[in-house]
Amino acid sequence: NAGVTQTPKFRILKIGQSMTLQCAQDMNHNYMYWYRQDPGMGLKLIYYSVGAGITDKGEVPNGYNVSRSTTEDFPLRLELAAPSQTSVYFCASSYSLQGLFFGSGTQLSVL
Amino acid sequence: GQQLNQSPQSMFIQEGEDVSMNCTSSSIFNTWLWYKQDPGEGPVLLIALYKAGELTSNGRLTAQFGITRKDSFLNISASIPSDVGIYFCAGRGAQGGSEKLVFGKGTKLTVNP
Repeated sequence: NAGVTQTPKFRILKIGQSMTLQCAQDMNHNYMYWYRQDPGMGLKLIYYSVGAGITDKGEVPNGYNVSRSTTEDFPLRLELAAPSQTSVYFCASSYSLQGLFFGSGTQLSVL
Repeated sequence: GQQLNQSPQSMFIQEGEDVSMNCTSSSIFNTWLWYKQDPGEGPVLLIALYKAGELTSNGRLTAQFGITRKDSFLNISASIPSDVGIYFCAGRGAQGGSEKLVFGKGTKLTVNP
């Protein structure tokens, strides 16, 4: 099993550009999450999904969009990148309310 | 929103020493989880606690779900150099939105050989 796979691992964007961070899991988990991690700040929830076709905002959703068309995939879209979105992004999945399994992260810089 | 206060922020210890860290909140939680993160990697689940008062071990790690459901602690016994990393507590609230997992800000552990 690959677990939770995130791509790309690193990316540099210019202000105003858009991009999609990919996340896929092969554990048949129903819940999926996107977090961002800034130095010394722990992890903050951006969006989450409890199943295909259902998404909900987390703590810091502004500037991001998500979709969940399949159980396996949960892409995160940045439409107009801003310097404040420079961060490390983690995708995670879980079976219902059990512990989360994380991907290895995407380091994004917006310059 | 729900917040977790994790302490200490950082610890510097000698190899072989025991370590203790904790998380507290003003809100009640249904689940407490403890994660470890190595540089450049995602957090890895260490221990999951689902019942108030529950005490669970995983090798040299022991964690407890506080009886008030507002706190949890993690102990590491006989620390070794590979214990170095950032440890996060996380909780699922008892009120609506229990799908969301709230994280503490982490405890950075340094182990001197």
